[in-house]
Amino acid sequence: GAGVSQTPSNKVTEKGKYVELRCDPISGHTALYWYRQSLGQGPEFLIYFQGTGAADDSGLPNDRFFAVRPEGSVSTLKIQRTERGDSAVYLCASRPGLAGTGELFFGEGSRLTVL
Amino acid sequence: AQKVTQAQTEISVVEKEDVTLDCVYETRDTTYYLFWYKQPPSGELVFLIRRNSFDEQNEISGRYSWNFQKSTSSFNFTITASQVVDSAVYFCALRGTQKLVFGQGTRLTINP
Repeated sequence: GAGVSQTPSNKVTEKGKYVELRCDPISGHTALYWYRQSLGQGPEFLIYFQGTGAADDSGLPNDRFFAVRPEGSVSTLKIQRTERGDSAVYLCASRPGLAGTGELFFGEGSRLTVL
Repeated sequence: AQKVTQAQTEISVVEKEDVTLDCVYETRDTTYYLFWYKQPPSGELVFLIRRNSFDEQNEISGRYSWNFQKSTSSFNFTITASQVVDSAVYFCALRGTQKLVFGQGTRLTINP
């Protein structure tokens, strides 16, 4: 597609449930990032993929959060046993190539609300 | 560790005024990149500019200009003759190796 696509755009779930958020990056972009943005805050880094592997997952807050990118394109962020504090907008971004100079292109985000 | 500080949480000006958004950063990397992103009410982050640490030349793009000063670790953003459509949250960001770190953002409101 033309841009980074994220689904669902909105997700409301109950505390304790399992959630999957999907990111479809710009075609050909090898680098993919997940960020979390809480209300009134800047985006907070979660994880970065280069190809299929997670190059840096230092931002994942705990072991309830996990992300995969099995074929080096689409990525899924998985949250187990959701808590109310997980409510936020989850942003995905992609960047072309291996060079570290390029800007990140962001999707519109998936807004997660945990009741 | 990398850190970006945007001390101005909110700014409100009247249309046509000039406004400067401040950004101060910290990094131990010798090579790094600085960015500004705009986040309008729709929520999507829109890339505005990228500068690398070796290029301190200031840049102007229409009503937007950026002042990069390595000596003070600052990368400030000025909007000249502001317009209502400039109202948004603006984020300054820093990337050393691969991870992009954002500041807390400055909410800019341009009043007609």
